[in-house]
Amino acid sequence: KAGVTQTPRYLIKTRGQQVTLSCSPISGHRSVSWYQQTPGQGLQFLFEYFSETQRNKGNFPGRFSGRQFSNSRSEMNVSTLELGDSALYLCASSWDRSRTQYFGPGTRLLVL
Amino acid sequence: QKEVEQDPGPLSVPEGAIVSLNCTYSNSAFQYFMWYRQYSRKGPELLMYTYSSGNKEDGRFTAQVDKSSKYISLFIRDSQPSDSATYLCAMSDGGGADGLTFGKGTHLIIQP
Repeated sequence: KAGVTQTPRYLIKTRGQQVTLSCSPISGHRSVSWYQQTPGQGLQFLFEYFSETQRNKGNFPGRFSGRQFSNSRSEMNVSTLELGDSALYLCASSWDRSRTQYFGPGTRLLVL
Repeated sequence: QKEVEQDPGPLSVPEGAIVSLNCTYSNSAFQYFMWYRQYSRKGPELLMYTYSSGNKEDGRFTAQVDKSSKYISLFIRDSQPSDSATYLCAMSDGGGADGLTFGKGTHLIIQP
């Protein structure tokens, strides 16, 4: 089975811009979760989608949003980018709820 | 006090040694415990998954969970230079409300 794929792998944006990241889960997985990874905070949960519905959301501002499509592919969007949004954004998919999750390679976002 | 504590290291050991990696946690609701390995600039790779207390072995890796002490461990036998990576513990209560809760990771270096 193909693993979780994320596009793009690298992004450079400037403050105030918005960005959309994409994730394709493992075939058959209906749950997609997003995480932000930074050296200071480690991996932090952003949100989880299951069957096109956001089930859970972490403690992030409303500038962070996402959606899931009928084929389970997911996108996350960050509006009005801030310097502190520079991070590795990881997508993880799972068959059931947030137990065993399989991660993609991540999208590295740099905000200048 | 953070929910999951993990020594960041670096932990440097000679090739062939037994490595012990540990995490402590405070949330007694956690029931699912995972260890991920993350190479530089890559996404986390699931190594071990354990439910509740007990031991689980997979090749050179052994995971232990002691819920009474809120303490989990990962042992690596016959360590290899290719094991050099950051090891992240992760846990969940199974409800999925907060996704997986991660430790910040231990940076492991296996010296040839």
